[in-house]
Amino acid sequence: AQSVTQLDSHVSVSEGTPVLLRCNYSSSYSPSLFWYVQHPNKGLQLLLKYTSAATLVKGINGFEAEFKKSETSFHLTKPSAHMSDAAEYFCVVSSSTGGGNKLTFGTGTQLKVEL
Amino acid sequence: KAGVTQTPRYLIKTRGQQVTLSCSPISGHRSVSWYQQTPGQGLQFLFEYFSETQRNKGNFPGRFSGRQFSNSRSEMNVSTLELGDSALYLCASSIQTGTGVSNYGYTFGSGTRLTVV
Repeated sequence: AQSVTQLDSHVSVSEGTPVLLRCNYSSSYSPSLFWYVQHPNKGLQLLLKYTSAATLVKGINGFEAEFKKSETSFHLTKPSAHMSDAAEYFCVVSSSTGGGNKLTFGTGTQLKVEL
Repeated sequence: KAGVTQTPRYLIKTRGQQVTLSCSPISGHRSVSWYQQTPGQGLQFLFEYFSETQRNKGNFPGRFSGRQFSNSRSEMNVSTLELGDSALYLCASSIQTGTGVSNYGYTFGSGTRLTVV
């Protein structure tokens, strides 16, 4: 079964400093991985996706993630945090089961950005 | 291009009642999925529909059901509501047509917040 583990439930950074949100995955085959962001009382927005092309994936709002097979990791980074980045971030793996498709979400990382 | 539209945004229901939630996917998207989000259990997969057929179902009781219409709009129904059904219900659509692993990602709606009292 596919799964993802987000290693930090809360991360706090100062505005202008780098952001690192950690995610490890478990998959029996080459996975499709995603990062989604959820702002308070909003739905989920796709930040970026990895689908076995380039291992360094660039997303929206300056975020990027690197797929490392040897470490089974897909960490999300941003060089400089902005106040508007404060939100909950989910690492997600896609799997195909029973003829259909589903997403399995990590438990989320709450990012706090301080002045 | 309009996004995924979910109605209503908020609902308050009494235990034992039933509820129907609606989702209109992005035009051209035929795959629609539903997820339940709660503080305790996080985001959990309910079911996926494609071309009016349920292709996949999560581990939820039979009180949770859904359907998809020929225009790809989808509804989910919860019967005999329990307090634990209080959650944010999210609908997502995808341009994915095949049954393999999704390479396209899903676009989510803003959700319906259901409160059961």
